[in-house]
Amino acid sequence: KQEVTQIPAALSVPEGENLVLNCSFTDSAIYNLQWFRQDPGKGLTSLLLIQSSQREQTSGRLNASLDKSSGRSTLYIAASQPGDSATYLCAVAPRTDSWGKLQFGAGTQVVVTP
Amino acid sequence: EAGVAQSPRYKIIEKRQSVAFWCNPISGHATLYWYQQILGQGPKLLIQFQNNGVVDDSQLPKDRFSAERLKGVDSTLKIQPAKLEDSAVYLCASSLDSLARASYEQYFGPGTRLTVT
Repeated sequence: KQEVTQIPAALSVPEGENLVLNCSFTDSAIYNLQWFRQDPGKGLTSLLLIQSSQREQTSGRLNASLDKSSGRSTLYIAASQPGDSATYLCAVAPRTDSWGKLQFGAGTQVVVTP
Repeated sequence: EAGVAQSPRYKIIEKRQSVAFWCNPISGHATLYWYQQILGQGPKLLIQFQNNGVVDDSQLPKDRFSAERLKGVDSTLKIQPAKLEDSAVYLCASSLDSLARASYEQYFGPGTRLTVT
């Protein structure tokens, strides 16, 4: 059974510092991996989607890498801002399910202090 | 393009009462998902529809939860009777349908926060 883990559970950094968020998964047979952002009381906003054949994706200050062989993904956020404060979740689409079901981690709660 | 719509946004009920949530996916999205997110945890899939057919309801507590997707568009999720442990955010998501369906992004609605007292 696929397990997705995000460590640490919470992180606080001063504004301007780079953020590094980790995600690990136990089964490398995946279709893709997605990173989401969740603000308090809100739904999930998709940040980046990495297909299993890709090694990384970039969007503005965000960069996500994928290493299937080691079961790891890392989300980098450059030059953090207070507006980056949110919970970040990663999710994988296991190949054992052909319908695209996502298996989520519990998330990392990020606070960026001014 | 309009996103995934959900209502209500908040609901407070007493245990043993019933409640229903509504979701309208992005136009043209054939796949619809309902997730349950308990505080401090990641979302867990409850049920998945492909058009108006159920493709996965393995984690749906069928003794109290039910869901339907009328005409392959809108969907409702019902809980009857509710328990204290059903307090959570209920998220609806949708994605495109294709042979490569598992590679498509899922787009989430704002969720419904349910509190059972």
